[in-house]
Amino acid sequence: DAGVIQSPRHEVTEMGQEVTLRCKPISGHNSLFWYRQTMMRGLELLIYFNNNVPIDDSGMPEDRFSAKMPNASFSTLKIQPSEPRDSAVYFCASSLAQGAAETQYFGPGTRLLVL
Amino acid sequence: DQQVKQNSPSLSVQEGRISILNCDYTNSMFDYFLWYKKYPAEGPTFLISISSIKDKNEDGRFTVFLNKSAKHLSLHIVPSQPGDSAVYFCAASAWTGNQFYFGTGTSLTVIP
Repeated sequence: DAGVIQSPRHEVTEMGQEVTLRCKPISGHNSLFWYRQTMMRGLELLIYFNNNVPIDDSGMPEDRFSAKMPNASFSTLKIQPSEPRDSAVYFCASSLAQGAAETQYFGPGTRLLVL
Repeated sequence: DQQVKQNSPSLSVQEGRISILNCDYTNSMFDYFLWYKKYPAEGPTFLISISSIKDKNEDGRFTVFLNKSAKHLSLHIVPSQPGDSAVYFCAASAWTGNQFYFGTGTSLTVIP
């Protein structure tokens, strides 16, 4: 079975440009998570969805970040406008939430560089 | 504020010896803990977990110990192998919640 799929794997853009990261969770999983990895803060949860509904977006840094999950098999994380400090690796993860903490399965990540 | 802390950014161990990775947490509501392993250019993969009703969980060469009173857990790898070289993340959650809080990671190097 395919794991969590993320695209693109690498993205280089200029400051001020819009960036869209994409994620396809594991089929049948009903929770989806977006994380950002930096050296200073490790893996930070940005937002998570349960049954396509955003549950907690308190980790989203600011209004420049937005995330959507239009259906159970697709989610996007958008940064507009992008800034150099957004450079990081962004991971998507999914799990089968059954009212309790369940193992999350991570995608390979998108390495974003904003010049 | 980091609710889960890994104070050692890196660790080097000789092949065959024991590797001990440490993790501390601050939130007393956490009762489910996991370790993830991450190779370069890959996403983290689940390694082992422990719930607060236990103080030890073992899976092959990997053992996780939990000290609830100290809010501390550790991952023991014995014997260490070069293929264990990776970044290890500690994560914690409240059992009734769906959100994991991750530490900053410890980079383990096992020297052949």
